[in-house]
Amino acid sequence: AQTVTQSQPEMSVQEAETVTLSCTYDTSESDYYLFWYKQPPSRQMILVIRQEAYKQQNATENRFSVNFQKAAKSFSLKISDSQLGDAAMYFCAYRSFYNNNDMRFGAGTRLTVKP
Amino acid sequence: DAGVTQSPTHLIKTRGQHVTLRCSPISGHKSVSWYQQVLGQGPQFIFQYYEKEERGRGNFPDRFSARQFPNYSSELNVNALLLGDSALYLCASSPESRGSLETQYFGPGTRLLVL
Repeated sequence: AQTVTQSQPEMSVQEAETVTLSCTYDTSESDYYLFWYKQPPSRQMILVIRQEAYKQQNATENRFSVNFQKAAKSFSLKISDSQLGDAAMYFCAYRSFYNNNDMRFGAGTRLTVKP
Repeated sequence: DAGVTQSPTHLIKTRGQHVTLRCSPISGHKSVSWYQQVLGQGPQFIFQYYEKEERGRGNFPDRFSARQFPNYSSELNVNALLLGDSALYLCASSPESRGSLETQYFGPGTRLLVL
């Protein structure tokens, strides 16, 4: 079974600074998709960024970027110029290319942004 | 356009009872997935339905069942409730079921407490 590990239960960043959230995963498959989701205190889960495993180029969405290391099975999220609204739980998720009905989430990292 | 809606927002039940949770997907979305999020953990996949057919099932007991209606709304049913069923139940919709990269849009969830 594929597992997703987020080793940082909590992280803190100063407003306008940069923070990196870690994620590793375990899989025997070569094709898959990775996601970062944000869950603010209001509870609604929002997609932040996604990456296809077959693409070597790291995905970028405005202030959010990933460092995808396929051989190391690592998928970290970098948030640049952190804003107060970035404070939330962040979940890393894995989805198999072959079984697209299943998505596995990590336990989450709670990000605090200090003004 | 309205996002994914779920009802009720909160629910308190006692052990052994039955519960029905409801989800209305975004207009035009034909796929609905259900997740269970226990406090302090990431969501766990329960079911996916597409065009009223079950397309995926996670590792949950038969006490959990679901269905999708012609208007693509969905119900999650849980029988013989246990204390461990206390969780936030999330519903997510997407246009179709076959695209792994398709973004899933999550609802706000239903918080179930079993006493």
